[in-house]
Amino acid sequence: DTGVSQNPRHKITKRGQNVTFRCDPISEHNRLYWYRQTLGQGPEFLTYFQNEAQLEKSRLLSDRFSAERPKGSFSTLEIQRTEQGDSAMYLCASSLLRDRAVGYTFGSGTRLTVV
Amino acid sequence: DAKTTQPNSMESNEEEPVHLPCNHSTISGTDYIHWYRQLPSQGPEYVIHGLTSNVNNRMASLAIAEDRKSSTLILHRATLRDAAVYYCILRDTGNEKLTFGTGTRLTIIP
Repeated sequence: DTGVSQNPRHKITKRGQNVTFRCDPISEHNRLYWYRQTLGQGPEFLTYFQNEAQLEKSRLLSDRFSAERPKGSFSTLEIQRTEQGDSAMYLCASSLLRDRAVGYTFGSGTRLTVV
Repeated sequence: DAKTTQPNSMESNEEEPVHLPCNHSTISGTDYIHWYRQLPSQGPEYVIHGLTSNVNNRMASLAIAEDRKSSTLILHRATLRDAAVYYCILRDTGNEKLTFGTGTRLTIIP
């Protein structure tokens, strides 16, 4: 297992364009999380899935953001009509429900720059 | 979520022990203390966690005060690869999200 994989690693887009990021979690992990991190700050929670069900969304996740996890495997995070304030690192993490006391495994993130 | 307080930055010499403090005076009885670290250009990496007793693993040790209002992450022999931002996080067993602060930026001096 190669851990949590995120693609692309970097994305530069023009303001107003739509972007989509992909996260492939560790295969047996049934929980998947999205976080956002801006420069100099710690990661902020966006949303999480248990299998294919999206169980919690942060108020940070505006209506321009949508996340999916079809079939409970990989997940996508789409941002529509990007704004310069969306520039950040988008991190994905996964965990196994039955090991609740164990930490999450994070990917290396997708760095988004909106110009 | 209960809040944690950490120093913004610390320095340590290579091959010496490092003690990273964390205050969490409003911790509740069901909060676990988690530590993650984030190396440059990487996502956070789980380090260790505990509830009441001190904990050891291959990466570090976690010393928890008797009243649980503070804890210390101990790196027994720092290497240059330990230079990172270290986050102390309280996580209730019923809460799925991690609430990160700004952490402690650890610099290792060769």
